[in-house]
Amino acid sequence: SQQGEEDPQALSIQEGENATMNCSYKTSINNLQWYRQNSGRGLVHLILIRSNEREKHSGRLRVTLDTSKKSSSLLITASRAADTASYFCATDGMDSSYKLIFGSGTRLLVRP
Amino acid sequence: DVKVTQSSRYLVKRTGEKVFLECVQDMDHENMFWYRQDPGLGLRLIYFSYDVKMKEKGDIPEGYSVSREKKERFSLILESASTNQTSMYLCASSTQVHWDYNEQFFGPGTRLTVL
Repeated sequence: SQQGEEDPQALSIQEGENATMNCSYKTSINNLQWYRQNSGRGLVHLILIRSNEREKHSGRLRVTLDTSKKSSSLLITASRAADTASYFCATDGMDSSYKLIFGSGTRLLVRP
Repeated sequence: DVKVTQSSRYLVKRTGEKVFLECVQDMDHENMFWYRQDPGLGLRLIYFSYDVKMKEKGDIPEGYSVSREKKERFSLILESASTNQTSMYLCASSTQVHWDYNEQFFGPGTRLTVL
């Protein structure tokens, strides 16, 4: 079952621009996470935001969470060609914190 | 650093073959997971295990089984491979130490083709 749904499905920007990806989910959560996947590789954890947090920063990443709208956004500032990857949001469920449910991802292309 | 390794990066098998995908983690994590990833569908959970010899079905367990005899190793078994099991298979692990910080660590993936 899909919990997180990312938007847009694909995004193409110029190096130096900001990239914003959105995620919507359906049920109550303990936390929401963002992962990155380089082509043909495994996923790498980027950032976790808890349900009682509204915004979190990590380097060039900024994540927001609006639990009333059941949505999150990931902002990558001053993008680089190396940021080209797929980005996934993942949510746990209040009934099971071990399992995560991943969305279908946003494919980001950063053009040099 | 947590390391999750998978036995093969690429695998080609024939329909009807029994296929074993192995996953090993070196961080003493309690939880281990098997996902498959298909274009446009994201990651779908096949099975997960929260302890040795314990397993729980995920969203798409049909056609798969798993084995966890040791804490560090989690195997995915395709009893009789079919072409619709051609996919990227990802293994992941996580700890139970902090229930509200459940980051998963992923292996590099196995791209399985069933002919």
